[in-house]
Amino acid sequence: EPEVTQTPSHQVTQMGQEVILRCVPISNHLYFYWYRQILGQKVEFLVSFYNNEISEKSEIFDDQFSVERPDGSNFTLKIRSTKLEDSAMYFCATEKDSHNEQFFGPGTRLTVL
Amino acid sequence: AQSVTQLGSHVSVSEGALVLLRCNYSSSVPPYLFWYVQYPNQGLQLLLKYTTGATLVKGINGFEAEFKKSETSFHLTKPSAHMSDAAEYFCAVSRSGTGRRALTFGSGTRLQVQP
Repeated sequence: EPEVTQTPSHQVTQMGQEVILRCVPISNHLYFYWYRQILGQKVEFLVSFYNNEISEKSEIFDDQFSVERPDGSNFTLKIRSTKLEDSAMYFCATEKDSHNEQFFGPGTRLTVL
Repeated sequence: AQSVTQLGSHVSVSEGALVLLRCNYSSSVPPYLFWYVQYPNQGLQLLLKYTTGATLVKGINGFEAEFKKSETSFHLTKPSAHMSDAAEYFCAVSRSGTGRRALTFGSGTRLQVQP
């Protein structure tokens, strides 16, 4: 069964460093999402991406964040200058069609020291 | 704006007992509703969803949920709990129609199943 994969599974970085989280969507899926879950808190929407552009973003997704699909397969989330409060589990999700089902990856645990 | 409230951050049941996880939502437009399950160290897996049509929806692993518009609820049930059902369960809502597919999640309910 096809699945969403994410790398790395765990990333440790120093405050102020840039990190790139990677996601490989299920092939033929058209919609891509990033969510995050700070330890002990809700899963929160960050951004959605369709047709090579951002279709929606939350207030969390400020100028420090960016997304792209550089090679038509990987879907990446970049945090330019990490802060302590960026420590969280980051989930990628992909969707084939409108309101069908978002398939979630296993997540990347980001720890900012 | 949309929001989801899950009553009870922890629910404990005996194996074979009824499982009832509560979810209430707030939405200014007709919602789409979802239940996801998360096992330790894994991503979220869709249990079931309501978009349109029949208000009682059946999902995987014997779970079902009923959309009650008048009560703005979408409670998750399973007649008989199994040890393998121990996990965290998330209720989520999204807007219906095109665009705006972002999911708004509740804070989750951790289900424990006692032998």
